Amino acid sequence: DGGITQSPKYLFRKEGQNVTLSCEQNLNHDAMYWYRQDPGQGLRLIYYSQIVNDFQKGDIAEGYSVSREKKESFPLTVTSAQKNPTAFYLCASSINWDNYGYTFGSGTRLTVV
Amino acid sequence: DQQVKQNSPSLSVQEGRISILNCDYTNSMFDYFLWYKKYPAEGPTFLISISSIKDKNEDGRFTVFLNKSAKHLSLHIVPSQPGDSAVYFCAAILTGGGNKLTFGTGTQLKVEL
Repeated sequence: DGGITQSPKYLFRKEGQNVTLSCEQNLNHDAMYWYRQDPGQGLRLIYYSQIVNDFQKGDIAEGYSVSREKKESFPLTVTSAQKNPTAFYLCASSINWDNYGYTFGSGTRLTVV
Repeated sequence: DQQVKQNSPSLSVQEGRISILNCDYTNSMFDYFLWYKKYPAEGPTFLISISSIKDKNEDGRFTVFLNKSAKHLSLHIVPSQPGDSAVYFCAAILTGGGNKLTFGTGTQLKVEL
């Protein structure tokens, strides 16, 4: 079964610590995305990657970093510089950059304690 | 600047009746629109879409209407079922321009027995 796997589903982090959220896809999709969901604000784009070894900042990239060393993987690091990290994080992929039929993972709920 | 807006954060309808979810956009360059459905703690799933060259697209119980002059689209669900209770996001994109999906803030639909 092809799809996107995000792990872990729930994550707790102490203030001042960096944490990395995993996103793996076996759909052979070129493009991958990270979104953040907050109540009343919909889905906001953090980072996106069109192809391997390339990524671009989205609308709210500050305090986050990503890498795209493999086609299947697009991990997101939430750094201590992110002021409001508690949120629901969603990873998505699409066949290529111009295809807007996104497939989403099931998300990771990050809570800063 | 919210380019895609869903002004109703919540909607409650009775089972069997029609649900109408609304979405407004400000960027007249958007030429493709999508609706996604999201259950709690899960990723959004694609529901239905419409190109700007059409004003209506139908798929079973779901119909999307587009009014380009008003920059408004709506999703009709008939008849509504309890399993339709979820958050619905509309999204818009300028295709072929290497752009990304822009999501609305979501509407929580509750279908009551």
